[in-house]
Amino acid sequence: NAGVTQTPKFQVLKTGQSMTLQCAQDMNHNSMYWYRQDPGMGLRLIYYSASEGTTDKGEVPNGYNVSRLNKREFSLRLESAAPSQTSVYFCASSSDGWTSGDRVNEQFFGPGTRLTVL
Amino acid sequence: AQSVTQLGSHVSVSEGALVLLRCNYSSSVPPYLFWYVQYPNQGLQLLLKYTSAATLVKGINGFEAEFKKSETSFHLTKPSAHMSDAAEYFCAVSEDTYGGATNKLIFGTGTLLAVQP
Repeated sequence: NAGVTQTPKFQVLKTGQSMTLQCAQDMNHNSMYWYRQDPGMGLRLIYYSASEGTTDKGEVPNGYNVSRLNKREFSLRLESAAPSQTSVYFCASSSDGWTSGDRVNEQFFGPGTRLTVL
Repeated sequence: AQSVTQLGSHVSVSEGALVLLRCNYSSSVPPYLFWYVQYPNQGLQLLLKYTSAATLVKGINGFEAEFKKSETSFHLTKPSAHMSDAAEYFCAVSEDTYGGATNKLIFGTGTLLAVQP
């Protein structure tokens, strides 16, 4: 099992450019997440998907859109990148309580994408 | 609203010394609490998880944490630090709603642990 994979690993954009970060998991998890990590701020949730076809805003959704393409894939799109979006982006997935019997489950993280917006 | 506070953004210990990383939480429902570790240039991985089954939780790599409701704390400890423990550590609490805990996590700002030889 590859777990959670993310592409690309690194990306440099100019202000105003758009791009999509890709994420896929092979653990048959229902829930998927996108976070950004900034120095001194920990991880902040951008968007969350509880199941295929559903998405929900997290703490910092402005400037981002997401697509839950199928159960495996959850992409994050920056329509018009800004320097404030320079960050490390992590995708994660978890099983839900109904399948594991535990209400809140471990999240499995991808290796991250380092994005710089000039 | 739920929150997590990690006291000390940087902690330095000598190899073989006790590791103590502090975490305090706020939650209006019985919380699920987690400690994650992040090694340089990697994603996060779970160290341990509290789900109310036992107040002392043992995790991987010799780490453990004790849930203290009266102090709203979930501090992470390891009796003897190893060089390989140098990493950033994050405490997290499940976000709760009127229906109880959810799968969404609220992370602390992290503590960077340095281990000196």
